Amino acid sequence: DAGVIQSPRHEVTEMGQEVTLRCKPISGHDYLFWYRQTMMRGLELLIYFNNNVPIDDSGMPEDRFSAKMPNASFSTLKIQPSEPRDSAVYFCASSLWGPGDSPLHFGNGTRLTVT
Amino acid sequence: AQTVTQSQPEMSVQEAETVTLSCTYDTSESDYYLFWYKQPPSRQMILVIRQEAYKQQNATENRFSVNFQKAAKSFSLKISDSQLGDAAMYFCAYRSWGGAQKLVFGQGTRLTINP
Repeated sequence: DAGVIQSPRHEVTEMGQEVTLRCKPISGHDYLFWYRQTMMRGLELLIYFNNNVPIDDSGMPEDRFSAKMPNASFSTLKIQPSEPRDSAVYFCASSLWGPGDSPLHFGNGTRLTVT
Repeated sequence: AQTVTQSQPEMSVQEAETVTLSCTYDTSESDYYLFWYKQPPSRQMILVIRQEAYKQQNATENRFSVNFQKAAKSFSLKISDSQLGDAAMYFCAYRSWGGAQKLVFGQGTRLTINP
């Protein structure tokens, strides 16, 4: 079990650029979550998928953010155009069933800095 | 909407002693899950312990135990025989029993272990 794999670990970009964060969930997990962590707002759920289908994207801050899960082993979170206030640590997490019924496994996160 | 509050931004304890981290939550639901997650400097989120609200017995995992007071909506974490490796941010989290799979996190408590 390699765990949830996120890339890149760090990303520094300039305002206005497109940023793509990547996630490979644990094989066999049906749920995938994207969280954002900031000092001011803590951990916020952005979106989650069940069997590759987006279920709840109410946490996505605005249209500049989009997430996809083209197959069971890969998801992306894209920010276009990026802004300095998007600077945060972005976590991907997966679980076998819902996170109450089975543990939620987090990746190591991507630290995004937008200058 | 559910909220989770951790009133202690920082705590410290001497190695080998016991420390209790506080968490309160607000919900109108009767069935739900509660969790404590640990985030060491490596940034990875690690599940420490979970509690189902319908269970009266407090959950324990080795040196970690909880004091779940449903009526008071309180869910504290006790760490016994504190070790240097316990130093981390600790997050309390809530999840509804059914329906939405999202975890709602508190703001976290930074725990320092003094040798």
